[in-house]
Amino acid sequence: GQSLEQPSEVTAVEGAIVQINCTYQTSGFYGLSWYQQHDGGAPTFLSYNGLDGLEETGRFSSFLSRSDSYGYLLLQELQMKDSASYFCAVRDSNQGGKLIFGQGTELSVKP
Amino acid sequence: DAGVIQSPRHEVTEMGQEVTLRCKPISGHDYLFWYRQTMMRGLELLIYFNNNVPIDDSGMPEDRFSAKMPNASFSTLKIQPSEPRDSAVYFCASSPRELGELFFGEGSRLTVL
Repeated sequence: GQSLEQPSEVTAVEGAIVQINCTYQTSGFYGLSWYQQHDGGAPTFLSYNGLDGLEETGRFSSFLSRSDSYGYLLLQELQMKDSASYFCAVRDSNQGGKLIFGQGTELSVKP
Repeated sequence: DAGVIQSPRHEVTEMGQEVTLRCKPISGHDYLFWYRQTMMRGLELLIYFNNNVPIDDSGMPEDRFSAKMPNASFSTLKIQPSEPRDSAVYFCASSPRELGELFFGEGSRLTVL
């Protein structure tokens, strides 16, 4: 089977930097993705790491270490609109590549 | 493109009734996924299709749930009979390729009384 662990809640202030960690356990692995969800709306894709290292997209970066089964999402210059839930998700190559989501981290950005 | 379109957005029904949720994927996307989201269990994959063919339905909770994709532009998720524990937000998502990013619809919020 597979499991993903991420913190349930994180709080930070506007302008700060926050890191949301994700550890995973899968029998096979294609890559780690991150999705953002505002107030129960549609989850939206943020980033994907198939290889080790850092991927940067504007204020958001994502990191992967396959040897440690670990990744993180880094959000810089936090804005109030970044308050949302963030999900890490893995594709298990032994399960047809289907995307399995973590429980999500609720980020609250305070003024 | 209008994105993934789901209907209804909200459904309130009584236990024992049949519920049908509908999804129109993004044109050209060969993969369609049905997820269920609850506070307790998070986002669970129920079933996914490739080119209208069900590939993995191991997440479908029980025989009361069924899903079909009669053509590339339409899918349904049916619950018959519905039970209060089926109350959740049901998301449909589509993807242009097997390992591609998922594009989610706005979800159908189901309440079974």
